[in-house]
Amino acid sequence: EVQLVQSGAEVKKPGESLKISCKGSGYSFTSYWIGWVRQMPGKGLEWMGIIYPGDSDTRYSPSFQGQVTISADKSISTAYLQWSSLKASDTAMYYCVRKNGDYGAFDIWGQGTMVTVSS
Amino acid sequence: SYELTQPPSVSVSPGQTARITCSGDALPKQYAYWYQQKPGQAPVLVIYKDSERPSGIPERFSGSSSGTTVTLTISGVQAEDEADYYCQSADSSGTYPWVFGGGTKLTVL
Repeated sequence: EVQLVQSGAEVKKPGESLKISCKGSGYSFTSYWIGWVRQMPGKGLEWMGIIYPGDSDTRYSPSFQGQVTISADKSISTAYLQWSSLKASDTAMYYCVRKNGDYGAFDIWGQGTMVTVSS
Repeated sequence: SYELTQPPSVSVSPGQTARITCSGDALPKQYAYWYQQKPGQAPVLVIYKDSERPSGIPERFSGSSSGTTVTLTISGVQAEDEADYYCQSADSSGTYPWVFGGGTKLTVL
């Protein structure tokens, strides 16, 4: 079964750092782009950025450039999203997604990681 | 930035046809995609490349495109179709390759 499994919920304080993960299985991890999507509480979906684990080519939405870092370790089929200094406004559900080259769309979604930033 | 515009809500009775629109300047040149999100769940792709249906998606889901508007049509709506629906596309320059619409809440009366 093709799936993306994300790390568990996090509760952090403003100013702290954080790295969440997304492990792919059931397919060739290095052959598909992996993206990250933010959903703030009660709000819509926002594309943050995307990485090609095969060569670590990474693209960011202008809205998130400089705010987060996306990386991947192809040896363990895992992608990461990290913050160096969290803000309360980073409180959201974060989904990792697989981009299907044939569809051109995000065909597989992780279960989501809820990040809560509160003092 | 580039925006895709959806109506906030659509309501239909069971068995009727629901139509959800999405408007954007670049839609004549860019494919559109549709996702369904039920409460507490991750989104699911229901339409890709304007009108194609992934395997496992019921035939009652269809998509179409006309000019700067794309439409998701759900024929014979069922109670289980009640969800938020998001369109996705790209701007014409490539600066924003994946943009989501604001989402439409489909209510089955």
